[in-house]
Amino acid sequence: GNSVTQMEGPVTLSEEAFLTINCTYTATGYPSLFWYVQYPGEGLQLLLKATKADDKGSNKGFEATYRKETTSFHLEKGSVQVSDSAVYFCALRAGGGNKLTFGTGTQLKVEL
Amino acid sequence: DTAVSQTPKYLVTQMGNDKSIKCEQNLGHDTMYWYKQDSKKFLKIMFSYNNKELIINETVPNRFSPKSPDKAHLNLHINSLELGDSAVYFCASSQTPGGIGNTIYFGEGSWLTVV
Repeated sequence: GNSVTQMEGPVTLSEEAFLTINCTYTATGYPSLFWYVQYPGEGLQLLLKATKADDKGSNKGFEATYRKETTSFHLEKGSVQVSDSAVYFCALRAGGGNKLTFGTGTQLKVEL
Repeated sequence: DTAVSQTPKYLVTQMGNDKSIKCEQNLGHDTMYWYKQDSKKFLKIMFSYNNKELIINETVPNRFSPKSPDKAHLNLHINSLELGDSAVYFCASSQTPGGIGNTIYFGEGSWLTVV
């Protein structure tokens, strides 16, 4: 079956530090890959996505590259801010299906 | 304009009660979903409807019954609520399945607490 594995949290960083949140996946076929973000007390928002190998999704300074050879979609940001504190979810959608499979989420805390 | 809206946002109720959560999307999508987020933040799909037809029904107790009066609405009714039903329930929608990379848009969640 399909699955997504994310690094355990919480991840605590100082403001302006470099962020990497690891995500690897197992899927049949060629999935589309997504990062969603959940700010405290809020719902899920799509952060970025990539639909085929070597695609790079980017938004709000965050980036992730679809690496088929390593089945990974790691999230990166060069300089985090306190306002980036949230829970980040990696997810995949396999083939023509309409079901998102989520990772367990990684909590990010950014401190001054 | 909120694309996917669900009500209520917060709901505290006693064990054994029956409650409903309503969801509406104004994106013109054909497919709607209910996801459950447990206390450890784990998200899992419960149901999916396409044009008012049930197409995904994960292993969910039959106390949970989705109802889709039209393709813009998908309500979730829960009978005989149990403590373990306490969670955040997210409604979502997307274009007709099959589109590569079709984005699923989520509502803001409904925080259900059963006491």
